[in-house]
Amino acid sequence: KQEVTQIPAALSVPEGENLVLNCSFTDSAIYNLQWFRQDPGKGLTSLLLIQSSQREQTSGRLNASLDKSSGRSTLYIAASQPGDSATYLCAVSQWGAGSYQLTFGKGTKLSVIP
Amino acid sequence: GAVVSQHPSRVICKSGTSVKIECRSLDFQATTMFWYRQFPKKSLMLMATSNEGSKATYEQGVEKDKFLINHASLTLSTLTVTSAHPEDSSFYICSATKRGPSQSTDTQYFGPGTRLTVL
Repeated sequence: KQEVTQIPAALSVPEGENLVLNCSFTDSAIYNLQWFRQDPGKGLTSLLLIQSSQREQTSGRLNASLDKSSGRSTLYIAASQPGDSATYLCAVSQWGAGSYQLTFGKGTKLSVIP
Repeated sequence: GAVVSQHPSRVICKSGTSVKIECRSLDFQATTMFWYRQFPKKSLMLMATSNEGSKATYEQGVEKDKFLINHASLTLSTLTVTSAHPEDSSFYICSATKRGPSQSTDTQYFGPGTRLTVL
């Protein structure tokens, strides 16, 4: 059974710092990996999706990498801002029950201090 | 764009009552919808996979008679929590799959979630 682990569980940084969030998964047979953002009491916003054949994806200040063979992904946030404060979830996609299903990590709660 | 809505966003009910939550894909047809629940400081746990026109596939440990799922159309799936109890209080999130050029590029779009509180 797939297990997704995110480290650290919480992170507090001063505004302007660069930071890295980590995600690891136990079964490397994935189709893609996604990073989501979740604000308190809200749904999920997809940030980046990396196909299993890709190594990284970039969107603005965000860069996500994927090392499928070692079961690891990182989300790099450059020049952090207070508006980046949220919980960041990592999820991997695998085939199951006739569709691609997502398995989520518990998330990393990020606080960016002004 | 791809927008998924949920209704209601928040519901409070008495123990023993049933609550229905709707999930709609507003600008695309979704042959597959998923229902998740999320406890505080926990990950999203998949409850069931809902395919239009067929019975939902429930994950291990999820009671199908308690969490009734109906996917009657390509844009609507409903989750009914029957005889709700305080331990059912949680954040319920749905997602809908938008088909890409191939199955491997299908993308799930998430609803804003429904906060259920059972007194």
